[in-house]
Amino acid sequence: GAGVSQSPSNKVTEKGKDVELRCDPISGHTALYWYRQRLGQGLEFLIYFQGNSAPDKSGLPSDRFSAERTGESVSTLTIQRTQQEDSAVYLCASSLAASRTGVSSGANVLTFGAGSRLTVL
Amino acid sequence: RKEVEQDPGPFNVPEGATVAFNCTYSNSASQSFFWYRQDCRKEPKLLMSVYSSGNEDGRFTAQLNRASQYISLLIRDSKLSDSATYLCVQRGGYNKLIFGAGTRLAVHP
Repeated sequence: GAGVSQSPSNKVTEKGKDVELRCDPISGHTALYWYRQRLGQGLEFLIYFQGNSAPDKSGLPSDRFSAERTGESVSTLTIQRTQQEDSAVYLCASSLAASRTGVSSGANVLTFGAGSRLTVL
Repeated sequence: RKEVEQDPGPFNVPEGATVAFNCTYSNSASQSFFWYRQDCRKEPKLLMSVYSSGNEDGRFTAQLNRASQYISLLIRDSKLSDSATYLCVQRGGYNKLIFGAGTRLAVHP
């Protein structure tokens, strides 16, 4: 597709339920990020996938959060046993490759999806 | 200490004013910095990169001060359409992009 696609756009769930959020990045973008943005707050880094390298999971807030990505395609963010404090917009972004030794200008341009707004009651 | 820190604002300025935002960072090894813009309830979008020599794009000027570890964004002749949240971004370890919490700008008539 032309942009980063996220689904669902809105999700309302009950406390304790599991949710799965999906991100379809721009074709050819090997870097994929998940961020969380609570109401009125900044972007909180969650996880970063870069090609076939091990993902950087350092931002995941607890073991209830996990994310997968198959190759350079779709990624899913799963939140188990949701809590009210998980309510936020979950933003996915993708970019061209960035290696540990060099960065192309394209790797600096993140294209964001419209986000998945999660509300935990 | 957060890796990227910004004054949250809001900055309330009249049209035509000049406004400047600063952002401090803790990772002195970082090579790349950027400003992104986020409109209300929208996703962030790249505004401009920040180079050591400073760079200008129309009414916007970005500068980097490595000695003091801060970057700045200057907006001249503010327009109503400039109202948004401005996010300072640093490329950190393993090339991941780290966002500041953002500075809100409100331009009024």
